[in-house]
Amino acid sequence: DTEVTQTPKHLVMGMTNKKSLKCEQHMGHRAMYWYKQKAKKPPELMFVYSYEKLSINESVPSRFSPECPNSSLLNLHLHALQPEDSALYLCASSQEVLARGTDTQYFGPGTRLTVL
Amino acid sequence: AQSVTQLDSQVPVFEEAPVELRCNYSSSVSVYLFWYVQYPNQGLQLLLKYLSGSTLVKGINGFEAEFNKSQTSFHLRKPSVHISDTAEYFCAVSGAAGNKLTFGGGTRVLVKP
Repeated sequence: DTEVTQTPKHLVMGMTNKKSLKCEQHMGHRAMYWYKQKAKKPPELMFVYSYEKLSINESVPSRFSPECPNSSLLNLHLHALQPEDSALYLCASSQEVLARGTDTQYFGPGTRLTVL
Repeated sequence: AQSVTQLDSQVPVFEEAPVELRCNYSSSVSVYLFWYVQYPNQGLQLLLKYLSGSTLVKGINGFEAEFNKSQTSFHLRKPSVHISDTAEYFCAVSGAAGNKLTFGGGTRVLVKP
């Protein structure tokens, strides 16, 4: 099973709302990632978790708050977003992180976020 | 630092014709190379990867790629495309120091009947 699941598929929120994106994998992977993808652009790395600890934060604004409650789950909490934050948010996982560059990252289908 | 350049932003191709998507990378250290495909409204799916060994790599759905160290290239090919190959294709590189992927800008393949 090489599946990464993400919920919800679509999300529309106002600038004052608080919402969360959820990602789950059951492959025993110890590294999990959040990416942001704007239309017609490649994914941009936001956060990396390794063994449930935040290991990389790519200078993401504090209105995005990641959380890794356990080795299978990754959340992204959203608060006071701006319209320019509208994008496809992708979650990925891999066996390890930072130890070797050979591990394949498996991506979920993404959550399409629209901020009004 | 590493970077990836995909030379074509869009490639139109007729069904059953061959296609080649070009990818060039720059890195001062050993690299690992990946091709991902993204179908409309979906996440990324790994097509193939080069880690070491044979420079010709075969992937899923009839795709293959050739690693050329002297030309720092990793071009993707398919001898005969189908309508279902219409998608965005991303070349990516990671280094021996870690698993952080650097993506190219993407190539949109549009297969016409």
